[in-house]
Amino acid sequence: GNSVTQMEGPVTLSEEAFLTINCTYTATGYPSLFWYVQYPGEGLQLLLKATKADDKGSNKGFEATYRKETTSFHLEKGSVQVSDSAVYFCALSSLRGSQGNLIFGKGTKLSVKP
Amino acid sequence: EAQVTQNPRYLITVTGKKLTVTCSQNMNHEYMSWYRQDPGLGLRQIYYSMNVEVTDKGDVPEGYKVSRKEKRNFPLILESPSPNQTSLYFCASRQYRDRGYEQYFGPGTRLTVT
Repeated sequence: GNSVTQMEGPVTLSEEAFLTINCTYTATGYPSLFWYVQYPGEGLQLLLKATKADDKGSNKGFEATYRKETTSFHLEKGSVQVSDSAVYFCALSSLRGSQGNLIFGKGTKLSVKP
Repeated sequence: EAQVTQNPRYLITVTGKKLTVTCSQNMNHEYMSWYRQDPGLGLRQIYYSMNVEVTDKGDVPEGYKVSRKEKRNFPLILESPSPNQTSLYFCASRQYRDRGYEQYFGPGTRLTVT
C-alpha cells in the first residue's frame, strides 16, 4: 500500500542554518506530494506541493522537488528563522487504491534557536 | 473567508457519554475527512466522505461514526467514548476530482476522555 517515511525529530537548529527534512514514499501510480506545516496550537496548513515528477514546489523560502527515481520529496530551506519552528508533515495523495486520501508521515518537529 | 470550522475546540468528557464533534466547510467541497493526531503516530484517517450520503472507513474507524446528510457538514460521533480516544482531531475538506488539490484543515478539537 501507499506510505510515507520522513526523518524523525526533533530537529534543533540555530537561526540562519540550512534545513533538510528527508521524505521518501511508496505509492502505486503517480501520486501528488505535499508538505504541510503545523505551528504550535494550530491546525495544518499547506506549505507546498508537487503533482508530477521533477516538479519543484516552493513557498516562504522552502523548496522540495518531486524525485520519482528516488521516490523522494525532501524539504529544504537555506536559512531558517525562529518563526519556522513547527511540526512538518510530508504527505501523498493517490487516486489509485486510496480515493485521493492523504497519507501522512509521522511528522518532524523543528525548533529554531536565536 | 474560505474555511473549515470545528466545534468544540476543547472537550473533556467521561467514558461512555456520547458526544458529537461538528465540522463545517464553506467551499462547496465534495470530499471531507476526519483525522486523529497522536504523538509519534502522526495523522491517521478515521473516516472520509466523497459526497453527500457517501462515507467510507479510513485507517482507524473503530469506535467512531460519521454522517454526511449535507454537503457542508460532516459530524464525527463517538457513541461510547473510551480513554484511548483521547486525541487531537482534525476535519478537512477538498475538491474531490483532482488528487492534486490541497486539503483544507480545521483548527482541531482536543478531546480528553477520563
